[in-house]
Amino acid sequence: DAKTTQPNSMESNEEEPVHLPCNHSTISGTDYIHWYRQLPSQGPEYVIHGLTSNVNNRMASLAIAEDRKSSTLILHRATLRDAAVYYCIPGDDKIIFGKGTRLHILP
Amino acid sequence: DTGVSQDPRHKITKRGQNVTFRCDPISEHNRLYWYRQTLGQGPEFLTYFQNEAQLEKSRLLSDRFSAERPKGSFSTLEIQRTEQGDSAMYLCASSLSSPGLGETQYFGPGTRLLVL
Repeated sequence: DAKTTQPNSMESNEEEPVHLPCNHSTISGTDYIHWYRQLPSQGPEYVIHGLTSNVNNRMASLAIAEDRKSSTLILHRATLRDAAVYYCIPGDDKIIFGKGTRLHILP
Repeated sequence: DTGVSQDPRHKITKRGQNVTFRCDPISEHNRLYWYRQTLGQGPEFLTYFQNEAQLEKSRLLSDRFSAERPKGSFSTLEIQRTEQGDSAMYLCASSLSSPGLGETQYFGPGTRLLVL
């Protein structure tokens, strides 16, 4: 399983963009990169995933480095409801959750 | 489709009792996963099924734990002779495994277990 490195916590002001980084230098060539988040007292929630190209959906954008050893989750306009722990997960089937990044949103 | 559902949402039991949790996945999802999450930690993988077959079990899954998915749809997780250390949130997730497309897991709300 690929190992990941994420900041323990980050802060952002409401309605500002947020860039959440993740290093996954041991990722294999065929592993997708998934991002999940977990809001307080809820189960994890899928955010976005990608393989090589940058990806956009209604929740976020995912920027994947050309060498695939890192990626960045981008929330374009953070709201208070985006306060959560964000997990970067390389690979498929069983998920090995790391500590993730706890994102605090300041009003 | 209402997503992954779990029942019950909360369970309080006394040490030594047996408990059983149920998970109903998203229909047509062929994979079903169980995770456990304790306070302040990320979820930990316990086991998963592809259709009826249990493909992998974590070392965390002691012999007091058993999981089944008899018809490849819903799954049950049973804990026998519960211990206080079993107190946790038990999460279920389902996915449609499609080679080459990436596998996204959809999580249920969890069952919170408290062993007194």
